[in-house]
Amino acid sequence: EAGVAQSPRYKIIEKRQSVAFWCNPISGHATLYWYQQILGQGPKLLIQFQNNGVVDDSQLPKDRFSAERLKGVDSTLKIQPAKLEDSAVYLCASAPGTWGYEQYFGPGTRLTVT
Amino acid sequence: KNEVEQSPQNLTAQEGEFITINCSYSVGISALHWLQQHPGGGIVSLFMLSSGKKKHGRLIATINIQEKHSSLHITASHPRDSAVYICAVRSGAGSYQLTFGKGTKLSVIP
Repeated sequence: EAGVAQSPRYKIIEKRQSVAFWCNPISGHATLYWYQQILGQGPKLLIQFQNNGVVDDSQLPKDRFSAERLKGVDSTLKIQPAKLEDSAVYLCASAPGTWGYEQYFGPGTRLTVT
Repeated sequence: KNEVEQSPQNLTAQEGEFITINCSYSVGISALHWLQQHPGGGIVSLFMLSSGKKKHGRLIATINIQEKHSSLHITASHPRDSAVYICAVRSGAGSYQLTFGKGTKLSVIP
């Protein structure tokens, strides 16, 4: 079974530039999560999708971050414009459903904003 | 909000040693996860448990619901076990969100 795929694996941009990350969850998984993990900290949930609908985006900085999952399969997370404090690993995870299911994580995208 | 504390933050061990990583949380939970994160960022789920004990190879995870505490043990540690180990909890039966600890960085020296 293929795991969660993410691209790119690494990205370096200058502040005020834009960047987009892509995630393809495990086939058949209805729930998709985006997390931000700053160095030395645990992951923080940015947004959760159930199929193509948003379940929770309360911690997403909506002035600069956006995410979509138009067809209920793969998803993109965008930052526009980026700030220095956005430097982090962005993790995508998927699960078969919402309640009580184990989450499967992708390899992450390491973003460096200079 | 559930607070998740892990100890130690950093751990260096000699190959072959028995290792214990601890996790404490402040509010009752429906499930606890132990995750492994290698350099580069990718996370692998090791265990999901809500009571008792689980074992997989050289890894053992235990949880004490009354004491709000879990431990991850690694027997006969090996340099390839070097990684960050993260504890995450799901609070309550109706909750879907995970609250993560900051992780324990383990280095196993040959």
